[in-house]
Amino acid sequence: DAKTTQPPSMDCAEGRAANLPCNHSTISGNEYVYWYRQIHSQGPQYIIHGLKNNETNEMASLIITEDRKSSTLILPHATLRDTAVYYCIVRVGGGTSYGKLTFGQGTILTVHP
Amino acid sequence: EADIYQTPRYLVIGTGKKITLECSQTMGHDKMYWYQQDPGMELHLIHYSYGVNSTEKGDLSSESTVSRIRTEHFPLTLESARPSHTSQYLCASSDSWGAGYGELFFGEGSRLTVL
Repeated sequence: DAKTTQPPSMDCAEGRAANLPCNHSTISGNEYVYWYRQIHSQGPQYIIHGLKNNETNEMASLIITEDRKSSTLILPHATLRDTAVYYCIVRVGGGTSYGKLTFGQGTILTVHP
Repeated sequence: EADIYQTPRYLVIGTGKKITLECSQTMGHDKMYWYQQDPGMELHLIHYSYGVNSTEKGDLSSESTVSRIRTEHFPLTLESARPSHTSQYLCASSDSWGAGYGELFFGEGSRLTVL
């Protein structure tokens, strides 16, 4: 699976958009980008995933660059409850290694009032 | 809300004791996983199962063992606990992995302290 690089920490004001970047320059054509978050040592929570196209759901939006070497997770209106560690994971969507996600250090997002 | 449950949530135990961490899911998922996470550190996959009677070692070596006799149940056992086993253990499950589809549902975790 491709390696990802995320900033160790970011701050965001409550009510503003939080834009979390992720670099995955060695991503291959059949690898998806997944985002999870972990709030204070609870079990990680799935947020969103995508392959090439931008994706949006009720939690967030995922913007993937045309060359797929980087992506950005957008929380459109951050709240204090969005304070968490956010993980960007790249892996093949299928095959025998499914589910074996490799969680890196992630980005600690702190939302302040 | 994910229907995956772990017990106990917290356990403090003495060295040498045998412990079993329970994990159950009611979603009918065929795939289940155990991750280990020390405070402030990364999650590491230690065991996974693709279905009944299937278990595999994960990326991080662990002295624990697992079993999968029923689809919904994936317990983790330490035969003789040691202080080095002190950690948080997170159980997860997922449905079939299709073309990129498939998310992991995690339990709340079991925080083990071995004295």
